[in-house]
Amino acid sequence: EDQVTQSPEALRLQEGESSSLNCSYTVSGLRGLFWYRQDPGKGPEFLFTLYSAGEEKEKERLKATLTKKESFLHITAPKPEDSATYLCAVQAPIYEGNFNKFYFGSGTKLNVKP
Amino acid sequence: DTEVTQTPKHLVMGMTNKKSLKCEQHMGHRAMYWYKQKAKKPPELMFVYSYEKLSINESVPSRFSPECPNSSLLNLHLHALQPEDSALYLCASSQVKSGGQASLNYGYTFGSGTRLTVV
Repeated sequence: EDQVTQSPEALRLQEGESSSLNCSYTVSGLRGLFWYRQDPGKGPEFLFTLYSAGEEKEKERLKATLTKKESFLHITAPKPEDSATYLCAVQAPIYEGNFNKFYFGSGTKLNVKP
Repeated sequence: DTEVTQTPKHLVMGMTNKKSLKCEQHMGHRAMYWYKQKAKKPPELMFVYSYEKLSINESVPSRFSPECPNSSLLNLHLHALQPEDSALYLCASSQVKSGGQASLNYGYTFGSGTRLTVV
């Protein structure tokens, strides 16, 4: 069964303490892997799309990487405003009955203390 | 305009009420989605509309009834809900390539959600 697993569930960092979040997947025929940021009570905010192993993308203090089995979201020198839940989602192959379907991970709740 | 707008932001309804959630986007996206998200859980897909036609219905109870009046609007009609239906309801949209495949370039654009409480 297709599955997306994120770890850790929660992560507490001191401001400036770099770390990485993990998203592992077993979806076959990956069409794309997405990272989102979600603040409490708000909708997910799109961060990155990764398509193939070896690909990397950066945005400010965030860098996303992709291998054949997992993706990492690296956070360099985080600030308190980076505190949020980070969701990973994968898009399965497009075939009848599976149009546009995303599989979301359960998220990593990041808390950055000043 | 790069936003998906959802109204209302908060809704409290009784189990015998009928209410509707509304979603609007003006990005020219031809796929629109309803997701349900419980606390500390990932979003769960409910419905997918592509070119105003229902494409996916993830075995959602009939007390939830989606409607897509045009390419910019998506509604979710609610009737006889249960307390366990209380959740954050998220609308999203995405570009669609010819043949119906969702554009992969920018992912989904989500609205801020409607916080629904059923009493």
